[in-house]
Amino acid sequence: NAGVTQTPKFQVLKTGQSMTLQCAQDMNHEYMSWYRQDPGMGLRLIHYSVGAGITDQGEVPNGYNVSRSTTEDFPLRLLSAAPSQTSVYFCASSYLRLAGGRTNNEQFFGPGTRLTVL
Amino acid sequence: AQSVTQLDSHVSVSEGTPVLLRCNYSSSYSPSLFWYVQHPNKGLQLLLKYTSAATLVKGINGFEAEFKKSETSFHLTKPSAHMSDAAEYFCVVPNAGNMLTFGGGTRLMVKP
Repeated sequence: NAGVTQTPKFQVLKTGQSMTLQCAQDMNHEYMSWYRQDPGMGLRLIHYSVGAGITDQGEVPNGYNVSRSTTEDFPLRLLSAAPSQTSVYFCASSYLRLAGGRTNNEQFFGPGTRLTVL
Repeated sequence: AQSVTQLDSHVSVSEGTPVLLRCNYSSSYSPSLFWYVQHPNKGLQLLLKYTSAATLVKGINGFEAEFKKSETSFHLTKPSAHMSDAAEYFCVVPNAGNMLTFGGGTRLMVKP
């Protein structure tokens, strides 16, 4: 059971380049999400998905695209990288509902991808 | 929407002394609340969670937190700091569905 995995661990891009950050989980979690972490700001939600084929925007979605074709994978695409997207990116997953209908489940985080845009 | 505020961006303690990391929340009702820890260059790990079952919550590695509705606080404490506790700590509140809202984080430094 690998949990949540992310690749690559580090990436340097030039302004205007595109790339895809990969995220995969093997826990059969319905919910997956992407956060970015910037100093002093905690983590901010970029996009999330409640199941295959369903995605929605979080707090800071501009400049990023996502898709969810399988339960396991939730890639994050940067269409045209900008220096403001220099950050550490975390993917997380969880079950969507607890027994009894509650939705506040523990989220499991990947190790992160450190992205620098020059 | 619910939110959390971590009152200290940095806390420095000596090894063996108590730890207090402060978090206040903003909510119109009693929310669920979490504390996550992030060790250097690592992902986030759940320390403990409050889900209204008991106001004093015990977590991993000797940490605990007390939910105080009258003070809208959920401070994280540990009686005796260890060098391995040096990390960044996040107070977190879930919003609609599974979305998490993070505080700004508190970096804990432990001096020998």
